[in-house]
Amino acid sequence: SQKIEQNSEALNIQEGKTATLTCNYTNYSPAYLQWYRQDPGRGPVFLLLIRENEKEKRKERLKVTFDTTLKQSLFHITASQPADSATYLCALDNGGSQGNLIFGKGTKLSVKP
Amino acid sequence: DGGITQSPKYLFRKEGQNVTLSCEQNLNHDAMYWYRQDPGQGLRLIYYSQIVNDFQKGDIAEGYSVSREKKESFPLTVTSAQKNPTAFYLCASKELGQHYSGNTIYFGEGSWLTVV
Repeated sequence: SQKIEQNSEALNIQEGKTATLTCNYTNYSPAYLQWYRQDPGRGPVFLLLIRENEKEKRKERLKVTFDTTLKQSLFHITASQPADSATYLCALDNGGSQGNLIFGKGTKLSVKP
Repeated sequence: DGGITQSPKYLFRKEGQNVTLSCEQNLNHDAMYWYRQDPGQGLRLIYYSQIVNDFQKGDIAEGYSVSREKKESFPLTVTSAQKNPTAFYLCASKELGQHYSGNTIYFGEGSWLTVV
């Protein structure tokens, strides 16, 4: 079965720097990969989707890359701000016909002023 | 506003009790989901439903039950058979499409269940 790993449980960076979060998967390449933001005690909120035939996707200060050879996605936040502090989850399809997602455990990002 | 409403936000269960978490959506989505989140763990799928009056077990369905009598509603019952129910429960929904379409999943604000 597909497995998904987010290598860092926590990442601490200084305001203004670029945060880079990693998501690795095993087995088959998913048709797409998604990134979500989750604030404490709240439900996750969708940020970006990248498809298997796309190498990079951008949205404002966010950038996602997808390397199917390395089986890895990188999530970048440029010019980070304290308001970016949250847990970021990656998710991908589980390969079934139902289109269900499997989620990584998340990386907790803390941006210090 | 369109979205997913979960209630209650906080719920306490005594040993041997069944409790039901409510989930309502007004997004007109066909698919609805229940996830469980434990500290340091990813989201784990409990049950899902893609059509009214039909639902499927997820990865950790034991000790839980659901119903889907209406498109907009997908309540989750945590039964006394669930031995470790203390967790954060998330309801979600999405439009159905081709499985590779990657339709966004929308989450509710979650419900905290604690065993006392």
